Amino acid sequence: DVVMTQSPLSLPVTLGQPASISCRSSQSLVYSNGNTYLNWFQQRPGQSPRRLIYQVSNRDSGVPDRFSGSGSGTDFTLKISRVEAEDVGVYYCMQGTHWYTFGQGTKLEIK
Amino acid sequence: EVQLVETGGGLIQPGGSLRLSCAASGFTVSSSYMSWVRQAPGKGLEWVSVIFSSGITHYADSVKGRFTISRDNYKNTVYLQVNSLRAEDTAVYYCARDVMEATGHWGQGTLVTVSS
Repeated sequence: DVVMTQSPLSLPVTLGQPASISCRSSQSLVYSNGNTYLNWFQQRPGQSPRRLIYQVSNRDSGVPDRFSGSGSGTDFTLKISRVEAEDVGVYYCMQGTHWYTFGQGTKLEIK
Repeated sequence: EVQLVETGGGLIQPGGSLRLSCAASGFTVSSSYMSWVRQAPGKGLEWVSVIFSSGITHYADSVKGRFTISRDNYKNTVYLQVNSLRAEDTAVYYCARDVMEATGHWGQGTLVTVSS
């Protein structure tokens, strides 16, 4: 099974400051068709997960442009350019190249 | 508008069975790949099962042999039959469409509690 490792697991951030979450996979996530199947999800307290980014860097509809995804192969990053109060929650990466696996989650809180 | 509505959760004794439903609207389940993902209380997300448009299915090792995913094209609904339930199956179960594609969409989930 592909293991997804996120870091850090806890991320205290000052409002207005940038934040970055890393996600590393135990195998390359490049699929045979050339696509890389790596998503990012946000889960606010008490809410269902919401997908932010699909296939590494594509923002879902309605997602603020302060969220961006990047990476390739086995190393991926979710960046928030300026953290706002509504960004508090847990962030998960998910791979869909070798069936499906989630990372452990990164809890973002305001410092 | 795309919508996924999960139902069928509840309190069930260990060893019992339930059938979870995911009613879809705004698209056709038979032309998408549909997944179930679960989240135990206070824990992370765990992928459970998928059914592709071809009808091919796949399961996480933790549920293989106990859970069965299926769909009813006429009702535009996806099901998850969950048997031989254990305490560790307690979770919110989410239905999702095309999890890795631009057309991806998630439901709000249904809670399954396994307890005597």
